[in-house]
Amino acid sequence: EVQLVESGGGLVQPGGSLRLSCAVSGFSLIDHYMDWVRQAPGKGLEWVGRSRNRVTSHATEYAASLKGRFTISRDDSNNALFLHMNSLKTEDTAVYYCSRAVKYNDLLTGYYNWGWFDPWGQGTLVTVSS
Amino acid sequence: IQLTQSPSFLSASVGDRVTITCRASQDISSYLAWYQQKPGKAPKVLIYSASTLQSAVPSRFSGSGSGTEFTLTISSLQPEDFATYYCQQVNFYPITFGQGTRLEIK
Repeated sequence: EVQLVESGGGLVQPGGSLRLSCAVSGFSLIDHYMDWVRQAPGKGLEWVGRSRNRVTSHATEYAASLKGRFTISRDDSNNALFLHMNSLKTEDTAVYYCSRAVKYNDLLTGYYNWGWFDPWGQGTLVTVSS
Repeated sequence: IQLTQSPSFLSASVGDRVTITCRASQDISSYLAWYQQKPGKAPKVLIYSASTLQSAVPSRFSGSGSGTEFTLTISSLQPEDFATYYCQQVNFYPITFGQGTRLEIK
């Protein structure tokens, strides 16, 4: 069974740092693109960033508003994805989800592509407050 | 790419047919997915590539559209369908979501 389990959330003071982890099972992380998505209390979904697979040297993409403060890394040998968050602000308070991008045969281009997110983890709550 | 869903809130009854619209600020071809999220749970994909039904999703859900306008239709609402729905584009970085449509029981 494919499963994603986030951990590492908690209460942190403004300006602090936190590292979230996402343990994956049921598939090999090394072959997949992985994403982080967050959801502030009572708000919608916000994409945080992406870690590409080994083929693309684990290149990363980030939401512009978070670039420089948030970094995604991974440990393929241990099937773990990480989100490193620095200089945290109260507005970073949210549930953070990791998710797997689905690789599919894109009939429009004739190439493989990375699309929608499935599955998602259960999320971990990060609260930034003094 | 900005995605704008309408309506943001929808009140409907069991058995109703409902349609949610997602408009993209520029052409995203068919690179659009729809998710359902229930309170306290992670989102689940319903539709991908604008119109392909995810495995195990009931056939009362359907998606259509391409380019900049997309729709999610639920043909006959069931009690378990009351939730929040999001569209997502995966054609361009940054990946973006619509603001969500909350579907409630009338």
